[in-house]
Amino acid sequence: QVQLVESGGGVVQPGGSLRLSCAASGFSFSNYDMHWVRQPPGEGLEWVAFMRTDGRDIYYADSVKGRFTISRDNSKNSLYLQMNSLRAEDTAVYYCVRGRTDFDPWGQGTLITVSS
Amino acid sequence: DVVMTQSPLSLPVTLGQPASISCRSSQSLVHSDGNTYLNWFQQRPGQSPRRLIYKVSNRGSGVPDRFSGSGSGTDFTLKISRVEAEDVGVYYCMQGTKWPITFGQGTRLEIK
Repeated sequence: QVQLVESGGGVVQPGGSLRLSCAASGFSFSNYDMHWVRQPPGEGLEWVAFMRTDGRDIYYADSVKGRFTISRDNSKNSLYLQMNSLRAEDTAVYYCVRGRTDFDPWGQGTLITVSS
Repeated sequence: DVVMTQSPLSLPVTLGQPASISCRSSQSLVHSDGNTYLNWFQQRPGQSPRRLIYKVSNRGSGVPDRFSGSGSGTDFTLKISRVEAEDVGVYYCMQGTKWPITFGQGTRLEIK
């Protein structure tokens, strides 16, 4: 079945870096645009980044622009999010999500905690 | 950015009764391709969000027919015809028409 599995979360100090991965299975990953969406503890959903199938169209939320980089490896059915210069307000569960407008399905999420 | 405003933010409902959530956008969500990219999501406690409705009124795969979406332009509604216990959670609307993609604040549905 269609599945997205995020990994790479953990605790990191302010100013630090982390790389998230999202492993896709059960569908032709190279045919789908992908997003990262985050959710701070106890709060709502915030869209973070988007990458088109071929990697040519990329968009970021203003809150992460210049600090986060989305990428993908279609040969490995994987989506990535490189997060640099992390701040306390980046603390959240990060989800990868399939589809430019579909937003279906969502992964189980991976928790990033930025704290000293 | 397109601001998505949901109401109410808290929705206590009696089992078996209907429920309705409103979502208003600060700009029209009609895309240049003619589609309106307005989705609804359900997030049960401790779970990832799940898409219920896409493009205003289309139910996702496996979504019970007691869920329905309607609206146009800037005004949208999610309705549950008869609330069941498993419907408890937070409901979000989301627009995918304009960048950046934006979500509503969420509406918490609870059983009265």
